[in-house]
Amino acid sequence: GQSLEQPSEVTAVEGAIVQINCTYQTSGFYGLSWYQQHDGGAPTFLSYNALDGLEETGRFSSFLSRSDSYGYLLLQELQMKDSASYFCAVIGPAGNNRKLIWGLGTSLAVNP
Amino acid sequence: NAGVTQTPKFRVLKTGQSMTLLCAQDMNHEYMYWYRQDPGMGLRLIHYSVGEGTTAKGEVPDGYNVSRLKKQNFLLGLESAAPSQTSVYFCASCARGDQPQHFGDGTRLSIL
Repeated sequence: GQSLEQPSEVTAVEGAIVQINCTYQTSGFYGLSWYQQHDGGAPTFLSYNALDGLEETGRFSSFLSRSDSYGYLLLQELQMKDSASYFCAVIGPAGNNRKLIWGLGTSLAVNP
Repeated sequence: NAGVTQTPKFRVLKTGQSMTLLCAQDMNHEYMYWYRQDPGMGLRLIHYSVGEGTTAKGEVPDGYNVSRLKKQNFLLGLESAAPSQTSVYFCASCARGDQPQHFGDGTRLSIL
């Protein structure tokens, strides 16, 4: 089977750092992506890891360990506007047209 | 830049009615997708297309049909709407399966 697990909710305060974990079990793996979705809005792409290690984009970083089937999204210097849902998604194998397998999302609440 | 445009944005249907949701992208992307999103369920893939004239079933295809007659357009049809199809529908596109997906703003569909 194929599954992704991420926490359903995370709460943090403005200016803090938060880490959202994602573990996966899939029959094929090409890479791990993260998307952000504000209430009532569309998902938007944040980051992508195909290889082990850390990818940094401004205040956001994403990490992947293929051997552990684990990744995380790190948000630094949290701002109120970071309150949103964050989805991890595994990119499947070429034989499956590299379809995304989505987690259920983590709702992040940033408090003053 | 328009990106991915979905029409309509909102619609209320009666059980048994039919309708078509339109997705248009102006980025010359090969891959297009239709998802539905329900509370607590994340994004579930309905149908997708890897190029003009092609379609394939996703995770939850029953009750839906699609067509991709032109590269820029991907249509989602509900032949006989059911209350279980009340959801938010998102269209997405990308250049290749391993590239970031670009989403439309969604269509909020209620079936009474």
